[in-house]
Order: sequence, then structure tokens, then C-alpha cells
Amino acid sequence: DAGVIQSPRHEVTEMGQEVTLRCKPISGHDYLFWYRQTMMRGLELLIYFNNNVPIDDSGMPEDRFSAKMPNASFSTLKIQPSEPRDSAVYFCASNFFSNRGLTEAFFGQGTRLTVV
Amino acid sequence: SQQGEEDPQALSIQEGENATMNCSYKTSINNLQWYRQNSGRGLVHLILIRSNEREKHSGRLRVTLDTSKKSSSLLITASRAADTASYFCATVGAGSYQLTFGKGTKLSVIP
Repeated sequence: DAGVIQSPRHEVTEMGQEVTLRCKPISGHDYLFWYRQTMMRGLELLIYFNNNVPIDDSGMPEDRFSAKMPNASFSTLKIQPSEPRDSAVYFCASNFFSNRGLTEAFFGQGTRLTVV
Repeated sequence: SQQGEEDPQALSIQEGENATMNCSYKTSINNLQWYRQNSGRGLVHLILIRSNEREKHSGRLRVTLDTSKKSSSLLITASRAADTASYFCATVGAGSYQLTFGKGTKLSVIP
């Protein structure tokens, strides 16, 4: 397996534009997480899915953020409209739940978003 | 919200020395995990320790867990310049299905 794949790796956009980040989790993993990383706030969990169903989106900062997982191999995180304070590195991670609990997470390489 | 808090925030050592990083957390856990992040890259899982375990080893890494003090430590022995990275602890709460990360320790190993 190629691991968790995120695209694009870098995105520069103007304030007010729509941004879509994409993630392909590892096959067989039933949990998918979206994180945001900034210097000030560290790694923040935005939302996570179990078997393609959103379970907890309490970390999504505003209604401008939305996430979907239409199938087991694809998820998107959308920001509309984008603002400069959304600039951060966005990570997708996947793992599975064993009979002993949640296992280690596998992270993608991240998407570095810059909103100007 | 942050569950784990690493200490120190930054650590600079000479190659060959041991590096110790600490993590404290607030609520009951199912397991605690340590991750490494090289600059500009994604996080890589290092080691997972369950709540009923006290110590775990993996190569030059040694992790301890003290659930009574709600703390864990990561020891890297005989450090190398290639160990330079940020190290994060993450907890899975009891009955939880998510990983919550601390802010990390930035380790610099000087050749």
C-alpha cells in the first residue's frame, strides 16, 4: 500500500476562494481523521469518520469548513470561502479499531495551505 | 483541546547523548502513542503503549507509562543527528475513538 495520499501538497489561493483538499486512506482502515497544524495551536483534530460516516465534527472551526467521505477510499475537506487565518498544514490520517482499541495512525504528507 | 502536554518544548543535545521527553495527560486512557515529525513532513508512528503496560522498547527507543501520575516518557539512547525532529505524544482516551496530540518537543541533535 502506498500509504495515506493527500493532494495537493501545496495550495496557494486568494481570500474568498473555495479550497478542496483530498485524501485517500489506507485500504482496510475504517477510521479517517482530518487534522490542522499551526505553530500557535499545534495539531487540532477537525473531524473524524468511521466507515465513511462523520462521527465528531466538533473541531471544525466554522461553517465555512465541511468534510465528506463518499466512499471508503476518498475524503475531502472543503473551505468556502477561505480566509488568511485558514493558512496551515492540513493532515489526513487513517487507522483501524482492533479488539484492543484504536491502533496507530498513518498520516499523509499534508497539504500546506496559504490563503493570501 | 490538547490532552497531552510534552516537556520540554525544545531540547538540544550532542550526538551520542540520550534524549528524554516527557508527556503528561489529563484523563484515563486506552493507550498512548509517540510520533515523530521531520520538518515539512507528516507524522510517523514510533511506539504504542497500552494502559496496562509500564514499559516498552523499540530499537533505541524506550517508553514508560505511569497511569497513576498520568505521565509518559520517551527515551532515545545514543542519539544521532538524524534523530533531529519534533516528537509528539498522543492519547486515545478510554472508550474513545480519536487521537489527541500534545504540542510536541523539538529535538535538535548536534553532530
